[in-house]
Amino acid sequence: EDKVVQSPLSLVVHEGDTVTLNCSYEVTNFRSLLWYKQEKKAPTFLFMLTSSGIEKKSGRLSSILDKKELFSILNITATQTGDSAVYLCAVVDDKIIFGKGTRLHILP
Amino acid sequence: NAGVTQTPKFQVLKTGQSMTLQCAQDMNHNSMYWYRQDPGMGLRLIYYSASEGTTDKGEVPNGYNVSRLNKREFSLRLESAAPSQTSVYFCASQVQYRGFDGYTFGSGTRLTVV
Repeated sequence: EDKVVQSPLSLVVHEGDTVTLNCSYEVTNFRSLLWYKQEKKAPTFLFMLTSSGIEKKSGRLSSILDKKELFSILNITATQTGDSAVYLCAVVDDKIIFGKGTRLHILP
Repeated sequence: NAGVTQTPKFQVLKTGQSMTLQCAQDMNHNSMYWYRQDPGMGLRLIYYSASEGTTDKGEVPNGYNVSRLNKREFSLRLESAAPSQTSVYFCASQVQYRGFDGYTFGSGTRLTVV
């Protein structure tokens, strides 16, 4: 059965800390892995990863994929209160399969 | 503005009532999706449509029907609403272009069935 597992389910850190969010997967025909940030409304796109070992970076956020070990991580450095959100990982094969998300809360 | 438009944003139904959630995209995307999101469950796929005129069941299709009458619009219908269908519903559309999987989500419909 195809599945996407995110960990931790929730995380509380102080502003300025660095966090690492994990996403492992088992799918039949992997095509890509997507990271989204969801605040109050719809998820917004962060990264798409297709190749192992190539880091994608956007400001304080970065992500990397390991297709051999079937996981991805999302790093956020120097966290800010505006980073508080649910971070969703999704894997695309014939359809898109979402993990349950990691709820991140940044304390001021 | 380009994107995915969902209506309504909020709805309260009584058990047994029916309603249709509307979704339209103006990006000329082929694939469209309906998800529900419940606390602790992430996004679960209800139905999807790979192209105009085709629809397929997702993970949780029971109690729902969909219609893809044209490329722009993909509607989700609840024929007889049940409290278990209280959820936030998201429509999304997707384009695959030169290996890029681009998904755009609507702003969601918060449905409460009492």
